[in-house]
Amino acid sequence: QKEVEQNSGPLSVPEGAIASLNCTYSDRGSQSFFWYRQYSGKSPELIMSIYSNGDKEDGRFTAQLNKASQYVSLLIRDSQPSDSATYLCAVSSGNTGKLIFGQGTTLQVKP
Amino acid sequence: EPEVTQTPSHQVTQMGQEVILRCVPISNHLYFYWYRQILGQKVEFLVSFYNNEISEKSEIFDDQFSVERPDGSNFTLKIRSTKLEDSAMYFCASSGLAGFPLEQFFGPGTRLTVL
Repeated sequence: QKEVEQNSGPLSVPEGAIASLNCTYSDRGSQSFFWYRQYSGKSPELIMSIYSNGDKEDGRFTAQLNKASQYVSLLIRDSQPSDSATYLCAVSSGNTGKLIFGQGTTLQVKP
Repeated sequence: EPEVTQTPSHQVTQMGQEVILRCVPISNHLYFYWYRQILGQKVEFLVSFYNNEISEKSEIFDDQFSVERPDGSNFTLKIRSTKLEDSAMYFCASSGLAGFPLEQFFGPGTRLTVL
């Protein structure tokens, strides 16, 4: 059974701090890795994708991938109260694009 | 900005009834998906659809479920005889402009309540 694991949290950080979200996956054949943000009662919103080892930066967000350790992370710099949401890690392997999601980490940014 | 749309936003049905959930994927996307999320649980893959056929389906996607792309824009999920445990948010997603599934964009979802 292919699994994606996340700490469910909540992760609480003060406004302006760096939030660090982590994810591990079990399938070594996984090729594509995504972070989605989900506000309560809403659908997942894609915020980052990463396909190769290393860091990928987009604005305040940095995704990090380490395939040897089967580990993906998301850093959010200068966290804002509007970043308070559940962050879903999703992993894809094979050529159908099927995504396997983690449980999600709830982030609370306190003003 | 193009987006995935879904109708209805909320569907209430009696157990044993058939429901059809509708989706309009992003124009020119090639890959289409249905996921569901039971309240408080993970987002779960149901089915992927490419080139007018199912490319992969999960164990959840049994004979009660079917998908169809009846025209060039709509993508539907049919549940033939709903059960109480089918109550969930159902999300449609689409991806792929160049023949390889990459980032998937989700619609707003349909909340299905089975009574």
